[in-house]
Amino acid sequence: GENVEQHPSTLSVQEGDSAVIKCTYSDSASNYFPWYKQELGKGPQLIIDIRSNVGEKKDQRIAVTLNKTAKHFSLHITETQPEDSAVYFCAALGPYNNNDMRFGAGTRLTVKP
Amino acid sequence: KAGVTQTPRYLIKTRGQQVTLSCSPISGHRSVSWYQQTPGQGLQFLFEYFSETQRNKGNFPGRFSGRQFSNSRSEMNVSTLELGDSALYLCASGDTPSGNTIYFGEGSWLTVV
Repeated sequence: GENVEQHPSTLSVQEGDSAVIKCTYSDSASNYFPWYKQELGKGPQLIIDIRSNVGEKKDQRIAVTLNKTAKHFSLHITETQPEDSAVYFCAALGPYNNNDMRFGAGTRLTVKP
Repeated sequence: KAGVTQTPRYLIKTRGQQVTLSCSPISGHRSVSWYQQTPGQGLQFLFEYFSETQRNKGNFPGRFSGRQFSNSRSEMNVSTLELGDSALYLCASGDTPSGNTIYFGEGSWLTVV
């Protein structure tokens, strides 16, 4: 089955700096890669996603890049703000008849004011 | 549109008891999946239902079971609770049978004492 690895496990940046979180996946058939943000005491919230027919996607300060050949994808947050502090999860899903999403272990991002 | 609703939000049970958790998906969504989240194991897939049928199941013992009703609402049950079952149980809903975006509820915090 799919295996997703996520790095780093913790990341601390200064407000205004950029943050990058990287994930690798094992199933070359995977074609959908979402990113979720989870704040303390809440459920994961979808922040951006990308499908395998696209190499990059942006939404304001957030961008995701996908390298299918290398089987890795990354989350980029620019101009970080204290409210970006949370745990971020990447995930991968294959083209199978289900929604069995496999998640990375998470990255705890801290943005220092 | 209302989001994914999970009840109860918090509960405490004793070892050996059983528990039932409920999930109401986003209106119109027919896929419901369940995840267990713990600090040590991260987000782990339990099972997924689509149109009242279980399509996929993760690596959990038979004590974990679920079902989906004709209105897409879903329940999961854990019998003979163990201390290690203490976790945040998350439900997610999606609007297509596969390869789609899933949206999480806030979760049910289960503590087993």
